[in-house]
Amino acid sequence: DGGITQSPKYLFRKEGQNVTLSCEQNLNHDAMYWYRQDPGQGLRLIYYSQIVNDFQKGDIAEGYSVSREKKESFPLTVTSAQKNPTAFYLCASIRESTGGYGYTFGSGTRLTVV
Amino acid sequence: AQSVAQPEDQVNVAEGNPLTVKCTYSVSGNPYLFWYVQYPNRGLQFLLKYITGDNLVKGSYGFEAEFNKSQTSFHLKKPSALVSDSALYFCAVRDVGGTASKLTFGTGTRLQVTL
Repeated sequence: DGGITQSPKYLFRKEGQNVTLSCEQNLNHDAMYWYRQDPGQGLRLIYYSQIVNDFQKGDIAEGYSVSREKKESFPLTVTSAQKNPTAFYLCASIRESTGGYGYTFGSGTRLTVV
Repeated sequence: AQSVAQPEDQVNVAEGNPLTVKCTYSVSGNPYLFWYVQYPNRGLQFLLKYITGDNLVKGSYGFEAEFNKSQTSFHLKKPSALVSDSALYFCAVRDVGGTASKLTFGTGTRLQVTL
């Protein structure tokens, strides 16, 4: 079955450490997204990519970095510059960047700073 | 800029009663509108969408939503709530004329259905 796989499900980061969250999709979707979810704040867009080797900053990109070397993969790195990284991170994809399509979401990664 | 408002943090309903979860939106052009549901520690699952056509949209699990252009609303409804409907619900909007496929989400409404 096609879908989006996020790993790991739970991740613990020490202060000053960079960590990378994986997102892989086998839906042949063009565009991919990373959202951060905090209680009471809904989903906030971190980065998105509409095609391979291209990506744009979302609303809260500071302290994060991404790459899109393959259509199927869109990893997110949470750097030490992100001062409050504890949150639930959601990856999503969409069939193409235009048209009335909704997102398909992964099951999320919960990141905790220890 | 596009935006979504979900004015209620939580909605409480007794099982068997009808439920409504409210959503209003703002876009510069015509909207694509979506409802998603999230269960604890899970991703969001698609419920339904409005693209064009009939203002009453039917979706998964017996949910429906009514698009009202004059009131810029897209309220989620279900005639008879179930305890298993208890979850976090998100409304989302995308500008049809937008150049990027970004969805803007509301802050979410927690639905609590009790026996």
